[in-house]
Amino acid sequence: DVKVTQSSRYLVKRTGEKVFLECVQDMDHENMFWYRQDPGLGLRLIYFSYDVKMKEKGDIPEGYSVSREKKERFSLILESASTNQTSMYLCASKSGNNSPLHFGNGTRLTVT
Amino acid sequence: LAKTTQPISMDSYEGQEVNITCSHNNIATNDYITWYQQFPSQGPRFIIQGYKTKVTNEVASLFIPADRKSSTLSLPRVSLSDTAVYYCLVVPGDTGRRALTFGSGTRLQVQP
Repeated sequence: DVKVTQSSRYLVKRTGEKVFLECVQDMDHENMFWYRQDPGLGLRLIYFSYDVKMKEKGDIPEGYSVSREKKERFSLILESASTNQTSMYLCASKSGNNSPLHFGNGTRLTVT
Repeated sequence: LAKTTQPISMDSYEGQEVNITCSHNNIATNDYITWYQQFPSQGPRFIIQGYKTKVTNEVASLFIPADRKSSTLSLPRVSLSDTAVYYCLVVPGDTGRRALTFGSGTRLQVQP
């Protein structure tokens, strides 16, 4: 079974802090994705990556950046956390073609 | 990628069959249809995928008409534990280097 591991289940940070959310997958998947999920707004795509060092903006990239230095790891970075970034963050991965997404269990981030 | 449209919510009773339909009018020739189940505070879990006609696994069936502009997830004899949000997602059948954007999902409530 594919395993997508997010480093923290719960995280509390202060406004202005730099925050790193880590995601690791163990199936050599080319594609990795970061979503945030808020009540009433569903799953919104922040960034995705289809190869090492490659990144593409999703629907809501403002305030975020990403890093993919190794194939198995995709990091989401909040350069200066703000209270409106309080959310559930979900990482997902998939292989190249006609394959589904596999999600981690999410990181619930609270910015105070 | 094809935008998806689903009913916002559905109600059912234990033991009934539930059918959730998703519209994806702009699906491309090589795209696949995938469905996910999400419980509160967890990441979505892949249920089933298909390209055309009918696919069945131990959890659900997926019906796709010939024009592939819609698909129907069928859950036989639902139980209380099937209460969740269900998402359909169209994924590329080629290299996969595209944003994957979810629709609003369908909130299924199963009652005793």
